[in-house]
Amino acid sequence: EVQLVESGGGLVQPGGSLKLSCAASGLTFSGSAIHWVRQASGKGLEWVGRMRSKANNYATAYVASVKGRFTISRDDSKNTAFLQMNSLKTEDTAVYYCTILGNDGALGQGTLVTVSS
Amino acid sequence: DIQMTQSPSSLSASVGDRVTITCRASQSISTYLNWYQQRPGKAPRFLIYAVSGLQSGVPSRFSGSGSGTDFTLTISSLQPEDFATYYCQQSYNTPYTFGQGTKLEIK
Repeated sequence: EVQLVESGGGLVQPGGSLKLSCAASGLTFSGSAIHWVRQASGKGLEWVGRMRSKANNYATAYVASVKGRFTISRDDSKNTAFLQMNSLKTEDTAVYYCTILGNDGALGQGTLVTVSS
Repeated sequence: DIQMTQSPSSLSASVGDRVTITCRASQSISTYLNWYQQRPGKAPRFLIYAVSGLQSGVPSRFSGSGSGTDFTLTISSLQPEDFATYYCQQSYNTPYTFGQGTKLEIK
């Protein structure tokens, strides 16, 4: 069974930075693309970005609202993905989920990021 | 960006009912369409991959169909635990956009 566990959320001031982690198990992590999705309180789901596997050159893509501020990375040796968030804005406040799409897809339980002064 | 539109936005139904939720893409996305379920206060759950691929543990009363721009999620006989919000998502082109959600409520 695929399991994803996010960590690293918390309270940060506008303009600050935070780095989220996503620990994966139960799958061939190195061969999987990793996605991040977020959900503001009471709102729908928003895709944030993804990093493909080494075989696909670790290609990344991001939604326009985070491009240039957020960076996805991964450490295949530790089955872990990361979301580095810089220049945070109040509108980035949300629960962040890491996800894997596919026949054995999954989402984590999420980690809450609150951007507030 | 590809726009995903779900209908209806909300739906009232009874246990045992057959329910269909529709998702329409603003351009053809072939079969790159996924479905998620989110129960109140819980994390989303990945239900269906690529139109009709049920994820492990998802009951067979859930099914998906469609291709191109029009897709459906069908629940053949509603159970109490199925009352939730459902989201479609296209994974054809980045950004992988979601529909606005369909809230399925008990009648």
